[in-house]
Amino acid sequence: EPEVTQTPSHQVTQMGQEVILRCVPISNHLYFYWYRQILGQKVEFLVSFYNNEISEKSEIFDDQFSVERPDGSNFTLKIRSTKLEDSAMYFCASRRLAGGTGELFFGEGSRLTVL
Amino acid sequence: AQKVTQAQTEISVVEKEDVTLDCVYETRDTTYYLFWYKQPPSGELVFLIRRNSFDEQNEISGRYSWNFQKSTSSFNFTITASQVVDSAVYFCALSETGGGNKLTFGTGTQLKVEL
Repeated sequence: EPEVTQTPSHQVTQMGQEVILRCVPISNHLYFYWYRQILGQKVEFLVSFYNNEISEKSEIFDDQFSVERPDGSNFTLKIRSTKLEDSAMYFCASRRLAGGTGELFFGEGSRLTVL
Repeated sequence: AQKVTQAQTEISVVEKEDVTLDCVYETRDTTYYLFWYKQPPSGELVFLIRRNSFDEQNEISGRYSWNFQKSTSSFNFTITASQVVDSAVYFCALSETGGGNKLTFGTGTQLKVEL
């Protein structure tokens, strides 16, 4: 069964460092998302991406964050200068169809720990 | 704005008991989708069900059943004859058809099933 894969599964970094989280969405999917879950809290939307551009972003997704689809398969989330409060599980998701008609497939998450 | 409320923070049951997880949502859209996801201790998000706003039929899948009531804006989830493996955090989520189709998650219900 096709799946969304994320790397790394866990990254520890120092405050102020740049971090790139990588995702390989399912190959025929067109809509890509990043979500964040701070430990013990709910899953929060960060950004959606379609047709090589951001279609929507939340207030959390400030100038420190950026997304890219550099080569048609990978979908990356970059945090330019990490803060302690960026420590969270980051989930990538993809969907083939627009709206809620297509199931949203989540990756297994990348846990980011900022020290 | 869309909102999902899961008032039950934590539920503990003994194996074989039935348990219902509540979900109440708010949306201004007439077309929307509701979801349930399971998050086991390993952390990944496992899709359980998607329901669109025009389909109020209840659904049963094995030991799982869902009760969608538009009149009360609720989408409750029942596990019959619970098992220890059902122990997880369960998230209800809502997707409106506009605005990037992002999911808005509830805060989750931690279900503990004990022997």
